[in-house]
Amino acid sequence: DTAVSQTPKYLVTQMGNDKSIKCEQNLGHDTMYWYKQDSKKFLKIMFSYNNKELIINETVPNRFSPKSPDKAHLNLHINSLELGDSAVYFCASSQDWTSARAGELFFGEGSRLTVL
Amino acid sequence: GDSVTQMEGPVTLSEEAFLTINCTYTATGYPSLFWYVQYPGEGLQLLLKATKADDKGSNKGFEATYRKETTSFHLEKGSVQVSDSAVYFCALMSGGYNKLIFGAGTRLAVHP
Repeated sequence: DTAVSQTPKYLVTQMGNDKSIKCEQNLGHDTMYWYKQDSKKFLKIMFSYNNKELIINETVPNRFSPKSPDKAHLNLHINSLELGDSAVYFCASSQDWTSARAGELFFGEGSRLTVL
Repeated sequence: GDSVTQMEGPVTLSEEAFLTINCTYTATGYPSLFWYVQYPGEGLQLLLKATKADDKGSNKGFEATYRKETTSFHLEKGSVQVSDSAVYFCALMSGGYNKLIFGAGTRLAVHP
């Protein structure tokens, strides 16, 4: 039973399209994250939600919109895709962000987005 | 702002060699420090952590000691295996916002 699962694993699409990536965790964690990993493996946080509330919103274009319907799910919708959006997007979760274990993240396997 | 600097890779070693991957950080306050590992085609996994100065984190033969005086958290392993081939990320948890800030990652390749 996968702890943090993302779908789809691969996504190939044309510039200008809109796409979504879904994430679910069954660990009972309160906090969920989206990270972007570029082609050089550099990881940058995009968003963080704690119990459905947005707590971190880095300088990400407005075309990216996260949604957390409940604390076990965090989805990422991307409008008007651009070439530079090509990357691997990782979902992660942790116990409450204020806890001593806040830095112990559990990652999904990633969703590789390719924009043509 | 807070940041993490890792040695550039790739690091290429023979099996049973000694491994060191350097990591230094810049942070206000007293961050917690982490090493994560990413095997090919997978997400990151927590390898070890240390939450205060002089703490040593260890797991699967890997160790790292939190050195406040040199702002470092170098990863070491006495004898690497081919199965250790992966990308290793040093990270700190920024005390103000409780978000993980990652270094650029260091690729390790171990040959038989």
